[in-house]
Amino acid sequence: ETGVTQSPTHLIKTRGQQVTLRCSSQSGHNTVSWYQQALGQGPQFIFQYYREEENGRGNFPPRFSGLQFPNYSSELNVNALELDDSALYLCASSVRGVDTDTQYFGPGTRLTVL
Amino acid sequence: GENVEQHPSTLSVQEGDSAVIKCTYSDSASNYFPWYKQELGKGPQLIIDIRSNVGEKKDQRIAVTLNKTAKHFSLHITETQPEDSAVYFCAAPNYGQNFVFGPGTRLSVLP
Repeated sequence: ETGVTQSPTHLIKTRGQQVTLRCSSQSGHNTVSWYQQALGQGPQFIFQYYREEENGRGNFPPRFSGLQFPNYSSELNVNALELDDSALYLCASSVRGVDTDTQYFGPGTRLTVL
Repeated sequence: GENVEQHPSTLSVQEGDSAVIKCTYSDSASNYFPWYKQELGKGPQLIIDIRSNVGEKKDQRIAVTLNKTAKHFSLHITETQPEDSAVYFCAAPNYGQNFVFGPGTRLSVLP
């Protein structure tokens, strides 16, 4: 069974630029959630994708957007990068069910904005 | 929405001793509580979880207890080992399908 994978591992951008982060969900999982983890804090929910549509969003501005593809992989796009966007971006996959789903995290992408 | 508090923020124990981390949540409708372990430079790893229809769950040296009335749940690690050193996060569901995480507990197991 393949776990959640993310790419790239690390990324350095400058303020104002745009970035795309990628996530492949665990085999058999159909839902992908994205979280932002600032240094020394717990992960914060950005949004979730199910059936290629956004299914819930946290308190993040519209310059954070995403996609889910038919194979359930996903992208997180951030436009007009700000210094405060520097963080570890985590992708979690799960199987949509009746009860709250168990989420399994990938290793994350470390984004540094200069 | 859900609010999760976690204590202590740091915890140091001697190897072989037990460690306990406590979390409280605010939404009485929350029904599933996972615990994650995060090592330096890695993503959070699910170590144990509990649903609201049980009060305790155990997996080898790790156990989780849930008190729905008081809205708190705890992680218990017995016979701690140096490899247990990491940051531990509790979480509770927010409107069902995403999670609110606690601020984390940095556990250090001293040899």
